[in-house]
Amino acid sequence: DGGITQSPKYLFRKEGQNVTLSCEQNLNHDAMYWYRQDPGQGLRLIYYSQIVNDFQKGDIAEGYSVSREKKESFPLTVTSAQKNPTAFYLCASSKGAGRTYNEQFFGPGTRLTVL
Amino acid sequence: GQQVMQIPQYQHVQEGEDFTTYCNSSTTLSNIQWYKQRPGGHPVFLIQLVKSGEVKKQKRLTFQFGEAKKNSSLHITATQTTDVGTYFCAGREGNRDDKIIFGKGTRLHILP
Repeated sequence: DGGITQSPKYLFRKEGQNVTLSCEQNLNHDAMYWYRQDPGQGLRLIYYSQIVNDFQKGDIAEGYSVSREKKESFPLTVTSAQKNPTAFYLCASSKGAGRTYNEQFFGPGTRLTVL
Repeated sequence: GQQVMQIPQYQHVQEGEDFTTYCNSSTTLSNIQWYKQRPGGHPVFLIQLVKSGEVKKQKRLTFQFGEAKKNSSLHITATQTTDVGTYFCAGREGNRDDKIIFGKGTRLHILP
């Protein structure tokens, strides 16, 4: 089955710890994205990558880091510098490369709770 | 920077009534996309509009893109309980950058 997977579905961490969220896709998509969703806030872009070994900051990148060493994988690290990390994190991918029709496919999300 | 505003934030309708959500951008868009997120789920792509004044239909859903390519709407005719969820619009400025900006969404509640 082709798709985009995120793990784990629920994650609990203590304050001050870094945590890495996994995102994998087998759709052969060039572009990948990380969003944060808070109640009433919609989806806010954290980081995105249009090609392997390259990524750009989104609107709320502070306190987060990413890597794109492989086309299939785009892990997100929530660092201890992120002041309010508890949220629902969504990963997405799209065909990318500036195509006109460029729908995004979302993973099931990871709900992170920092205690 | 680019902003995408979406109204209303919440909407309660009686089952069988119509529903409309509106999306407005501060800048001209190259295209606009619509997504639906069911409660507890993740956003799922519904449609993309590219041309000025474009209208597309999917069964009871009608999507419009404004003539100036700065606004869009989603209209649902005769809502059903399966329509419950949050509807997001997402706008893209250029064709080279794959980044899109999401509106905050409209949460639709259906009263039986």
